[in-house]
Parts: sequence; structure tokens; C-alpha cells
Amino acid sequence: NAGVTQTPKFQVLKTGQSMTLQCAQDMNHNSMYWYRQDPGMGLRLIYYSASEGTTDKGEVPNGYNVSRLNKREFSLRLESAAPSQTSVYFCAIAGQANEKLFFGSGTQLSVL
Amino acid sequence: GQSLEQPSEVTAVEGAIVQINCTYQTSGFYGLSWYQQHDGGAPTFLSYNALDGLEETGRFSSFLSRSDSYGYLLLQELQMKDSASYFCAVRDRASNYQLIWGAGTKLIIKP
Repeated sequence: NAGVTQTPKFQVLKTGQSMTLQCAQDMNHNSMYWYRQDPGMGLRLIYYSASEGTTDKGEVPNGYNVSRLNKREFSLRLESAAPSQTSVYFCAIAGQANEKLFFGSGTQLSVL
Repeated sequence: GQSLEQPSEVTAVEGAIVQINCTYQTSGFYGLSWYQQHDGGAPTFLSYNALDGLEETGRFSSFLSRSDSYGYLLLQELQMKDSASYFCAVRDRASNYQLIWGAGTKLIIKP
């Protein structure tokens, strides 16, 4: 997980609360991603940013917003958390070729 | 739409060889990746195949057949530390070249 720092590692929210997951990288890569992983499933892309100043929706964007604050930082916001958003969230980065993703250590989020 | 199939669980013996298969259906295939994930950890990149054939990296090899929409990950000389989940992921034009992930194969290694 070297180079990609995610905070927080754990979070418990009540339904309707908001929060922001932070991701920062020190590898100078252009592309940044937010994924969620539910038990027994593969990763699903929420949003991604191919470069500073751009963001695009992934497979499951509903209920989330993102900000690419600068080249280093990409945040994920839940405006009004729902129990269906209980999951493990991973931030990832990729360089020019985009073939190799580097992941942060993950955030375990529970929404009660 | 896109879909990937891989076995949910595979069991093997320490020191043996195991093959984890992945079949996919996509409309604009670009490449197949493999990732390893230990329990409680983050996925880590293992390999990427864009062209047919075998790619070898140490004890791990990955194979792709584009005509059969099929690939596999081969792990040799299994060690207990190889116990993990293994995910195949496809890069596809229909998903704007972003990765679509399989559900993962849990590899259980017995001594």
C-alpha cells in the first residue's frame, strides 16, 4: 500500500449522516479511483479521475460525490449515508499505462 | 453487458500447482488483469495480459486466449502465504476502459 494513504480506516455512521473519505498519493500518478467491495463480490468502481480537474462516474455512483482537489488528493463524500453503503472502500491510483493499480489500505464503513 | 466468471473457491496442497480460471463476456475486450487480496488487506497487482499467450513472473504465470474469452492464473510451488483471494478483472471499451472485476476465487492451501 506504499504511496496511497486512506483515512479513516474505520467509520460508523448513522443513517442520514454525512462523511468524507480522504485519499492522498505520493507517486505522482494521474489516475485515481474509488471502489467499494462487498462480501463475496469483486470491486465496483464508484468514481474515477483520469487527471487533475476531471472526474467521471463509474459503475455505482449513486449516493456519492467526489472531488479531485489536486494531483495528490481525491476525496469521496457520502452526503446522506444509507445502510446499503455499508462496505469496504478502497482508493486506488494508476500511472500512464493504467494497467497496474496501487491500492490504499481501505476504509471499513458501517451505516446503522 | 460485461460479465466474468471464476470459481468461488479452490483448495490445493502446499508445494503443488493450482490453476484459477476466468471466463469473460465483453463487447470490447482490451486486457485481463489478476490481483491478489489477503483477508483484511488491499488488492495487489499480479499480472496483465493484453495478447494471447503466457506471461511468467516467478512462481506465478498468467495465460490469455482472446478467441476463447478465457484466461487463467497458474501458481506453482504453493506456499501457505499464497492463501488469499484472487480476482480477475477485464478492461473493456464498453466500460470506458475501466476495470470490471470478477467476484474472486478464495484459494485454500492445506499443509
